[in-house]
Amino acid sequence: GDSVTQMEGPVTLSEEAFLTINCTYTATGYPSLFWYVQYPGEGLQLLLKATKADDKGSNKGFEATYRKETTSFHLEKGSVQVSDSAVYFCALSGPPNTGNQFYFGTGTSLTVIP
Amino acid sequence: DSGVTQTPKHLITATGQRVTLRCSPRSGDLSVYWYQQSLDQGLQFLIQYYNGEERAKGNILERFSAQQFPDLHSELNLSSLELGDSALYFCASSARTGILGTGELFFGEGSRLTVL
Repeated sequence: GDSVTQMEGPVTLSEEAFLTINCTYTATGYPSLFWYVQYPGEGLQLLLKATKADDKGSNKGFEATYRKETTSFHLEKGSVQVSDSAVYFCALSGPPNTGNQFYFGTGTSLTVIP
Repeated sequence: DSGVTQTPKHLITATGQRVTLRCSPRSGDLSVYWYQQSLDQGLQFLIQYYNGEERAKGNILERFSAQQFPDLHSELNLSSLELGDSALYFCASSARTGILGTGELFFGEGSRLTVL
């Protein structure tokens, strides 16, 4: 079945460091891919998404490109800030005939230190 | 503010008890999802409803049940509670499903359940 595998955490970076969180997926058909972020004490918020191959989602300096050939959707940011400390979830949504099921990775905790 | 409202925000109860968690989706969203988030299990999909009907079922225990009402709000009922049921329970809603394509999920802030 469909699934998402993302990089294990926790990840600790210094402010202004480069961030990569790896995410690979297994899916039948052509899923949509998402990154969600969960700040402490809050619910998940959509960070960015891509709905077809080669699409690049971007938001708040974060980017991820939908790579069908490598079944990946890695999250990157060129210069992280303390305020980026959160848990990041990669997710995919299956094709419409699956009822738009969402599959989430296990989450990667990021801590950015000044 | 995602527009998804969950109540209560916090709930403390004893083993063996029964609780009901409530979710109001974003205005106009027909699809509601329930997830359980615990420290060691990550985000687990429980169940999905679309316009009042059950659409998909995940790792939901038999002690748990849910429904979506005509006004589209949803309730998750947890009974015969065990210590291991302590977790954050999230509701999410989505505007689209089926052949209309994929819309992203909008999450509520969660209901934190503590079973003592």
